[in-house]
Amino acid sequence: KQEVTQIPAALSVPEGENLVLNCSFTDSAIYNLQWFRQDPGKGLTSLLLIQSSQREQTSGRLNASLDKSSGRSTLYIAASQPGDSATYLCAVDPGTASKLTFGTGTRLQVTL
Amino acid sequence: GAVVSQHPSRVICKSGTSVKIECRSLDFQATTMFWYRQFPKQSLMLMATSNEGSKATYEQGVEKDKFLINHASLTLSTLTVTSAHPEDSSFYICSASGFQTVETQYFGPGTRLLVL
Repeated sequence: KQEVTQIPAALSVPEGENLVLNCSFTDSAIYNLQWFRQDPGKGLTSLLLIQSSQREQTSGRLNASLDKSSGRSTLYIAASQPGDSATYLCAVDPGTASKLTFGTGTRLQVTL
Repeated sequence: GAVVSQHPSRVICKSGTSVKIECRSLDFQATTMFWYRQFPKQSLMLMATSNEGSKATYEQGVEKDKFLINHASLTLSTLTVTSAHPEDSSFYICSASGFQTVETQYFGPGTRLLVL
């Protein structure tokens, strides 16, 4: 059974800092991995999707990397802003019926 | 494109009553819809997967007679929580796939259920 863990569970940084969120998964047989953002009481916004054959994806200040063999992914946020404050979730897709397994999430707070 | 809506956004009901939550794909035909549950400060847990016109597939530990799922059309799936109890209070989120690719899921905004 796939297990997805995110470290740290919570993180508080001052505005402008670069930061890294970590995601690890136990079964490396994945089809893709996605990073989502969730604001309090809201649904999910997809940030980046990395196919199993890819090493990284970039969108603006966000960069996600994937090391499938070691079961790890990182989300790098450059020059953090207060608007980045949210919970960040990673999810792995095994490719069979697209049943996503979500990580435990990292709650990020960017302070002024 | 690829917008998914849910209704209602929040609902409060008495213990023992049934509550229906709608999930709609507004601008695409969703071949598959997924229902997730999220307890406070926890991650999303998949409850069931439904394909249009067929019975839903439930995850282990999810009671199919308690959580009735109907995927009657390519744009609408409903989740009915029957005889709701306080422990059913949670955040329910649906997702839909079928826009451009079958793999990508587009998530609704969620429904907050509180059972008194």
